[in-house]
Amino acid sequence: QKEVEQNSGPLSVPEGAIASLNCTYSDRGSQSFFWYRQYSGKSPELIMFIYSNGDKEDGRFTAQLNKASQYVSLLIRDSQPSDSATYLCAVKEGAGNNRKLIWGLGTSLAVNP
Amino acid sequence: NAGVTQTPKFQVLKTGQSMTLQCAQDMNHNSMYWYRQDPGMGLRLIYYSASEGTTDKGEVPNGYNVSRLNKREFSLRLESAAPSQTSVYFCAVTGAGLHEQYFGPGTRLTVT
Repeated sequence: QKEVEQNSGPLSVPEGAIASLNCTYSDRGSQSFFWYRQYSGKSPELIMFIYSNGDKEDGRFTAQLNKASQYVSLLIRDSQPSDSATYLCAVKEGAGNNRKLIWGLGTSLAVNP
Repeated sequence: NAGVTQTPKFQVLKTGQSMTLQCAQDMNHNSMYWYRQDPGMGLRLIYYSASEGTTDKGEVPNGYNVSRLNKREFSLRLESAAPSQTSVYFCAVTGAGLHEQYFGPGTRLTVT
């Protein structure tokens, strides 16, 4: 069974700190990786995607991918209280044109003022 | 949630009642999905549609039917609602890139 695993948290960081969220996946054929943010009572919102090994930066967010170790991480720099949410990791199932995503259960992040 | 709309936002049903959840997109993309999200269970795929006229079962299809009548609309039907179907239901659409999905605002369903 293909799986995506995340630490459920809660992860608590002070305002201004770096929050580090991790995700591991089991399907070695996966090529595309996504991070979503979900506020309580709202729908998931795409914040980052990454396809190649290494780092990808977008503003305060950095996604890191290591296919050999099968993990993907999300760093949030200068964390703000508004970053408090659940962060979902999603992995495209296998290679090819299959468009299904495998979802982690999410990590709850609390940024304390 | 730009481009993906869902109706209704909230619904309460009695056991055995039926209802249809509606999803529409103006993104002009082919693939659409129905998920349910329950505490501790994460997002679970109910059905998906790779293109107009095609549908496939996901992880938890029992008790649901779907219809993809045109490119824009993908509906989810509960023929005989059960308390186990109390959940938040999300519709999603694959974007123009490489498989990212965009979600509608969700329908919160309670079955008593």
